[in-house]
Amino acid sequence: AQKVTQAQTEISVVEKEDVTLDCVYETRDTTYYLFWYKQPPSGELVFLIRRNSFDEQNEISGRYSWNFQKSTSSFNFTITASQVVDSAVYFCALSESPLNDYKLSFGAGTTVTVRA
Amino acid sequence: GAVVSQHPSWVICKSGTSVKIECRSLDFQATTMFWYRQFPKQSLMLMATSNEGSKATYEQGVEKDKFLINHASLTLSTLTVTSAHPEDSSFYICSAQGTEGAHYYGYTFGSGTRLTVV
Repeated sequence: AQKVTQAQTEISVVEKEDVTLDCVYETRDTTYYLFWYKQPPSGELVFLIRRNSFDEQNEISGRYSWNFQKSTSSFNFTITASQVVDSAVYFCALSESPLNDYKLSFGAGTTVTVRA
Repeated sequence: GAVVSQHPSWVICKSGTSVKIECRSLDFQATTMFWYRQFPKQSLMLMATSNEGSKATYEQGVEKDKFLINHASLTLSTLTVTSAHPEDSSFYICSAQGTEGAHYYGYTFGSGTRLTVV
């Protein structure tokens, strides 16, 4: 069963538009971690955020913001005022294990294309 | 911050040959290394988990005799693709977890290796 679902396969926006990426996860654990990674065309994974299951506060980092809602098992990611450099594949991931095991289950990814 | 160095970045090999990919943790001791595979336009799928000094644990459907993992030291893990075939062409990426002093390091990824088998 898919543990992390990213329903949006591709999103295309014009520069300066906001874009929200959806992520829905499934777990029976009470302790878990959620992540977002960015993968530019070069392939490396760029870490964006980690959130543990006990911290439902939304977070803002520059043009990035995250909305974590346990009630709907969602951890959505918004890029405000998008730029061409934001074009990449974005992955949401889940780690269900406690602190000593960092195995990640990734969503299918959402390809974001920002047009000038 | 923690750095995982992965080499080579890309490799092209002939069908039937073996290819070795290295991942080194540069500033921490990686007690656990995860190896992921990513086919074009797909997500990352965990292949195996290796703990230093132990045999690797492979995910279902991953051939352990084909993908040999060695984690003999706390700073180095290798993945060898044996008798590679075109269907093994993929992006391979490692992730390390470990400690340095009082610090835990997790979810630290290497830069990936793009393997093309011709």
